[in-house]
Amino acid sequence: GAVVSQHPSWVICKSGTSVKIECRSLDFQATTMFWYRQFPKQSLMLMATSNEGSKATYEQGVEKDKFLINHASLTLSTLTVTSAHPEDSSFYICSAPYQGYNEQFFGPGTRLTVL
Amino acid sequence: GQSLEQPSEVTAVEGAIVQINCTYQTSGFYGLSWYQQHDGGAPTFLSYNALDGLEETGRFSSFLSRSDSYGYLLLQELQMKDSASYFCAVRDGAAGNKLTFGGGTRVLVKP
Repeated sequence: GAVVSQHPSWVICKSGTSVKIECRSLDFQATTMFWYRQFPKQSLMLMATSNEGSKATYEQGVEKDKFLINHASLTLSTLTVTSAHPEDSSFYICSAPYQGYNEQFFGPGTRLTVL
Repeated sequence: GQSLEQPSEVTAVEGAIVQINCTYQTSGFYGLSWYQQHDGGAPTFLSYNALDGLEETGRFSSFLSRSDSYGYLLLQELQMKDSASYFCAVRDGAAGNKLTFGGGTRVLVKP
C-alpha cells in the first residue's frame, strides 16, 4: 500500500516557540492532505485540509494564523504550530487519500509536548 | 454538521466475535469507513462501504444500511493483537472528501 511519513515523530519545545511538522507521501502524489489532532484517549479531530497550490481549508474553531499549513509540492505538506503553548501539546497526524478518496493513508504521527 | 455514535468500549475473549455499531447523522454522505488504531500508532484502514450490504475482508466484515444511517464492524475469531481502538468515519464528498470520525471504540481482548 501507499506510505505516508511524518517528521519529526516527537518534539519537545518551550512555550512561545514554533514547531514545523512535515508530512510526505512517499510513493504517490497527493494534491490533498489532511491534518488531524488527537488528544489522549480521544478521537481524531480534523484541523484542516491542505491543498497543493492553494490555501488550506480550516475547520471551524481552528486558528489559521496559529496553525500554518503549506502544501509546497505534490508530496509534501507542512504544519507549523506558531507560538506554541502547553495546551497545544497533542498527537498530530496527517493523512493522504490514495487512488480516490475511499481510503486514506495516515502518517505515523508527531507527538508534540510544549513545556 | 456531522455526528457519529459508537460504543466507547467492548471487552471480549480470544476467539469470540465482536460487533461495533456506528450510527451517523450527516449531509453529503459518500461512504462509511472503519479504521483501527493501536495505542501510540497511526490509524490504519480496514474497510469502506459506499453501498448497502456486507463487505468481508478476512476476519473483519463491515456492513452499511444507508436508509438507517447505520453500520457495523464485525470482528471474528478475536486475537490478542486485535486489542485496539476502532473508529467509524464518514466521508463527506460535498466537503472536500474529508473524514469525520466517531469517538472510537476501545476493544480489549482477554485470554
